Amino acid sequence: EVHLLESGGDLVQPGGSLRLSCAASGFTFSSYAMSWVRQAPGKGLEWLSAFSGSGGSIYYADSVKGRFTISRDNSKNTLYLQMNTLRAEDTAVYYCARQDGATGTSFDYWGQGTLVTVSS
Amino acid sequence: DIQMTQSPSTLSASVGDRVTITCRASQSISSWLAWYQQKPGKAPKLLIYKASSLESGVPSRFSGSGSGTEFTLTISSLQPDDFATYYCQQYNGYMWTFGQGTKVEIK
Repeated sequence: EVHLLESGGDLVQPGGSLRLSCAASGFTFSSYAMSWVRQAPGKGLEWLSAFSGSGGSIYYADSVKGRFTISRDNSKNTLYLQMNTLRAEDTAVYYCARQDGATGTSFDYWGQGTLVTVSS
Repeated sequence: DIQMTQSPSTLSASVGDRVTITCRASQSISSWLAWYQQKPGKAPKLLIYKASSLESGVPSRFSGSGSGTEFTLTISSLQPDDFATYYCQQYNGYMWTFGQGTKVEIK
């Protein structure tokens, strides 16, 4: 059974940094592209970043480019999101999601999310 | 960037109703459109991918159609478990964008 478990969410001050982790199990992690998606309180979904399975291709939304860094450790079946220079508008639940294996164009499995709160 | 516009934002319906949600893309996205269901406090769940393909395990009352810039999600007979928020999502050129969501409420 596919399982994604995010961790690392916390209360952080504006300008601070945080690293999120997503531990994957139940599938061959290295074979799948993975993404981070967030949802601000009461708002819709926003794709942030994607990392291809083994090819090393990385993509970012303009809203986080230069501040957030996605990485993965296929030996640990773990996806990461390093978030720097955090702002109040980064407050959200952060989900990791597996991109479908055939095309990578949709997200077929999601974690339960981890809450990041940016506030002084 | 491609913008996705869903309509309506909120929909009030009764159990047994046929429900249709529309999603429009600001430019053609071929058939790279997915639909998700999200319940409060839960992660989104994939319902439809590639515009009209039903994800495994999803009830057949859900269907998707469209291509290019206009897409629809149809629930043929609304069930109590279907009251939730629905999002469309497009893929184009290594960018993924979601619509703003449609909340399906009990009438």
